[in-house]
Amino acid sequence: EVQLVESGGGLVQPGGSLRLSCAASGFTFTRFWVTWVRQAPGKGPEWLANINVDGDDIHYGDSVKGRFIISRDNVKNSLYLQMNNLRAEDTAVYYCAKYAVYSGFAMDVWGQGTTVSVSS
Amino acid sequence: QSALTQPRSVSGSPGQSVTISCTGTSSDVGGYNYVSWYQQYPDKAPKLIIYDVTKRPSGVPDRFSGSKSGNTASLTISGLRTEDEADYYCCSYRDTKYVFGTGTEVTVL
Repeated sequence: EVQLVESGGGLVQPGGSLRLSCAASGFTFTRFWVTWVRQAPGKGPEWLANINVDGDDIHYGDSVKGRFIISRDNVKNSLYLQMNNLRAEDTAVYYCAKYAVYSGFAMDVWGQGTTVSVSS
Repeated sequence: QSALTQPRSVSGSPGQSVTISCTGTSSDVGGYNYVSWYQQYPDKAPKLIIYDVTKRPSGVPDRFSGSKSGNTASLTISGLRTEDEADYYCCSYRDTKYVFGTGTEVTVL
């Protein structure tokens, strides 16, 4: 079964850091771009960042550029999101997703999400 | 990055058709044929139902169809069913980034 499983969410104070992980299974992780998307309570999804198969082509959304770092470990079939200088507005469910083999511009498999709460 | 504009809600009776619009700019929806649509149930992850404006992934019913004209993409659900009651989001590529729509709640009356 093709699967993505996020972990690492939790409660963190403003200004703090958190590292999210996403474990991939059931497909050849090294063949796909992967991405992070978040969804604040009651809001629509927000695209955060993506990374190519080799980890050397990375793009960020404006709201997280300079604070978040996306990376991957192809040996461990894992995707990561290092989140620094967290703000209250970063409170959201964070999803990892892979791009489809039939379209490099659509996300066909999503994880179940991990919740990040930023509050003092 | 500004979100794409969708109607807040649409509704229809079982068997009817509903259409959800997704309005962007020439830098996203109008500039690329890379619009996708996602269906989301409460407390669940989004599910891909349309990609590259008009294409359906395997397993998605052909009641779902997509189109685009200028800077506006559309999702049509034909033969509405109770299980179609969910939130729907469009998403467009925008020059190395992606932007999602504001979301539309579909209610089956």
